[in-house]
Formats: sequence, C-alpha cells, structure tokens
Amino acid sequence: DIQMTQSPSTLSASVGDRVTITCRASQSISSSLAWYQQKPGKAPKLLIYKASSLESGVPSRFSASGSGTEFTLTISSLQPDDFATYYCQQYNSYVTFGGGTKVEIK
Amino acid sequence: QVQLVESGGGLVKPGGSLRVSCAASGFTFSDDYMSWIRQAPGKGLEWVSYISTSGSNIYYADSVKGRFTISRDNAKNSLYLQMNSLRAEDTAVYYCARVRGWSNWYFDLWGRGTLVTVSS
Repeated sequence: DIQMTQSPSTLSASVGDRVTITCRASQSISSSLAWYQQKPGKAPKLLIYKASSLESGVPSRFSASGSGTEFTLTISSLQPDDFATYYCQQYNSYVTFGGGTKVEIK
Repeated sequence: QVQLVESGGGLVKPGGSLRVSCAASGFTFSDDYMSWIRQAPGKGLEWVSYISTSGSNIYYADSVKGRFTISRDNAKNSLYLQMNSLRAEDTAVYYCARVRGWSNWYFDLWGRGTLVTVSS
C-alpha cells in the first residue's frame, strides 16, 4: 500500500501569508495526486488534480507542484476563507489520503 | 443542481448491518464512476470502495473487504453501501463521491455525508 505523509500537521498563519504544505508518498506515484480543502462539518472540496492542475472555479492563489514522491500545495496570499484542513490524495494505486494539515489563524 | 445526497445513517450495534444510500441529481449518473469515502470523528479521510459505471468493476479497502458491498441502480440514480458485521471502528461520516474518470480516481463532487455510529 502507498502511504501519504503530510507536513506540517498544523500550520499557524496570518491573512496575507504565503503558505506551503508538503505531501510525501512512500513510493513514486508519478503525477497522480489531488489536493482537497475541508472546512468543519463540510465535505472536502477538490482544489488540484494531476499534481498541479487547478480545478475549475478554484482561486488562482492556490497552486501545486511535484511529481514522483514529493508534492507541495501553496497558497500565495492566505485569505480568511482559506482557514481549513487540507488533504493530499494519491490515485496511482487505488486511493490513499494524507493525514491532513490544519491551517489555523495565528 | 448538481448534487449528491446521502441518507440512511444512524446508530447500530456492533455486529449489526446498515445500508446507506446516495441520490445523485443534475448530472448523468450512469456515465460516472462512484466511490464511498469515510471520515471517523476528528480523523482524516479513508477511501472505502469504488464502483464502475455498469457495476462490473468494484474495489474495496482492505479494512472493509468481505463486510461491505457497494452497488448502484442507474435507473434510480442511486449508489448504495451495504455494511455488515459492523465494528466500532466503522463509526464515521460516510461520503459518496463522484470519480473523475476510470483511471483518475480523484473526487470532484461530494455529498454532505451521513453519520454511522456503531455502539452498544
């Protein structure tokens, strides 16, 4: 099974900050990686697919990169609506989610 | 309106059974692959199962294999998850989600979820 490890697990930041979340796969997953945002009591929302492709309707302040085993999600200028938990997900071999990164207000 | 709406969650005793459902609307359900994903209280996301458009291809996570059964009724635009031999660790919000494509198992549409609680 492919394991996905996210870091950090919690991130404290301020509005306007540049934020980067890392996701590592236990083996190469090529570019088969998605990122989701989840707010409390809500379903996850797809942000990024194929490692770096922005889902329609997602603000351009979100970007992502990586391939193989190392991936990053970047929010260029954190907005109040962005405080949430973020999950990476591999789909190279079945599906595995990372443990999540909670972005909280500093 | 494009949406998925889950139902059927509730409290069930360990060893019991429950079937949760997902009603799809606003898109051509029969053209889309579907999955169930769950989230234990305060925990992360766990993929549970996948079903192809016709139901001919089905996959399960090891944690539920042999106990859970996914199915769909394209005429009713509905997805189901039959859960048997339930355990405390199956307690979670169960989401149905649309899969982007047969080789792209990421999820572009999610329901709000239905809570399943396994407790005596």
